[in-house]
Amino acid sequence: DAGVIQSPRHEVTEMGQEVTLRCKPISGHDYLFWYRQTMMRGLELLIYFNNNVPIDDSGMPEDRFSAKMPNASFSTLKIQPSEPRDSAVYFCASSLDGRGTDTQYFGPGTRLTVL
Amino acid sequence: ILNVEQSPQSLHVQEGDSTNFTCSFPSSNFYALHWYRWETAKSPEALFVMTLNGDEKKKGRISATLNTKEGYSYLYIKGSQPEDSATYLCAPSGSARQLTFGSGTQLTVLP
Repeated sequence: DAGVIQSPRHEVTEMGQEVTLRCKPISGHDYLFWYRQTMMRGLELLIYFNNNVPIDDSGMPEDRFSAKMPNASFSTLKIQPSEPRDSAVYFCASSLDGRGTDTQYFGPGTRLTVL
Repeated sequence: ILNVEQSPQSLHVQEGDSTNFTCSFPSSNFYALHWYRWETAKSPEALFVMTLNGDEKKKGRISATLNTKEGYSYLYIKGSQPEDSATYLCAPSGSARQLTFGSGTQLTVLP
């Protein structure tokens, strides 16, 4: 299996622009998670999906952030409009099921820089 | 969201030294404790998942113990090697089943 795939790996954009991050989970995994990693806050959960349905988006910082999962093999995280404080590494992870004992497998991350 | 603390924040050891770090978490509503290893410019990789009080897991030179009653876990590395240099994250899960990651312990093993 190719593992969790994220694109792009790096994104540099200007303040006010729309940014879309993409994720393909491991085939057969029912849960997909979006995390953000910053120096100040560490690795924090933004939102997660079960069978393509958003279950908890309480970690999404603001209305500028939105996430979708139109099918089992694709998810997007969109920021519109982007701001410099959104600069971070965004990780996508997937797991077979949502039990607290289940391992989450992380993608390589997207490093976002908003100028 | 659980309050997770890891100590120390960073650690420098000489090659061959053994080392350990701590993860503290709320003991109430505990479900499982995950340890991840995170190398620079890579993504976190799972090391262990533990659920039972007194659990001990081992993978090569790395081992971990769990105390759910007092809310802590220790990670041990025996005979550290430069390739062990990474950030080690712990992540307990509570009744909500989501993982809450600690800020990690950054280990540097000097040759």
